[in-house]
Amino acid sequence: DIQMTQSPSSLSASVGDRVTITCQASQDISDFLSWYQHKPGKAPKLLIYDASHLGTGVPSRFSGSGSGTDFTLTISGLQPEDFATYYCQQYDTLYTFGPGTKVDIK
Amino acid sequence: EVQLVESGGAVVQPGGSLRLSCAASGFKFDDYTMHWVRLRPGKGLEWVSFISWNGVSTNYAGSVEGRFTISRDNKKNSLYLQMNSLRAEDTALYYCAKRADYNYFDYWGQGTMVTVSS
Repeated sequence: DIQMTQSPSSLSASVGDRVTITCQASQDISDFLSWYQHKPGKAPKLLIYDASHLGTGVPSRFSGSGSGTDFTLTISGLQPEDFATYYCQQYDTLYTFGPGTKVDIK
Repeated sequence: EVQLVESGGAVVQPGGSLRLSCAASGFKFDDYTMHWVRLRPGKGLEWVSFISWNGVSTNYAGSVEGRFTISRDNKKNSLYLQMNSLRAEDTALYYCAKRADYNYFDYWGQGTMVTVSS
């Protein structure tokens, strides 16, 4: 099974900050990686697919990079609506999610 | 507009059974593979199962294999998850999700809560 790790597990940030979340796969997954945003009581939302492609309607302040085993989600200019938990997911072999990164207000 | 609405969550005793449903609208349901994903308290997201567009192909996470059965009714635009021999560790918010053009998930429902407790 492919295992996914994320760091940090949580972070505190201010509106306008640049935030970076990293995700690592236990083996090479090429670019078969997506990122989701999840707020309590809401449906998870696709942000990034194929490691770096922006989902439909997702603001351009979100970006993704990486390939192989190491990936990054960056939020350039954190907005109030961005406080949430972020998950990476591999879909190279079945599906595995990372443990999540909670972004809250400093 | 794509909508996925889960239902059927409840409090059930260990060893019990439950059937979850997901009503889909806003897209051609019978063109897409569908998934169940769960969020256990204090844990992250966990993929549970998928079913192909025609119901022929299914797959399950090891933690539920042999106890859960995924199915669909394309005439009713509905996805189901039959959960048997439920355990405390199955307590979770269960989401249905639509496969995109490739293997990531482009739309999710808001979830239905399953609590397994005596």
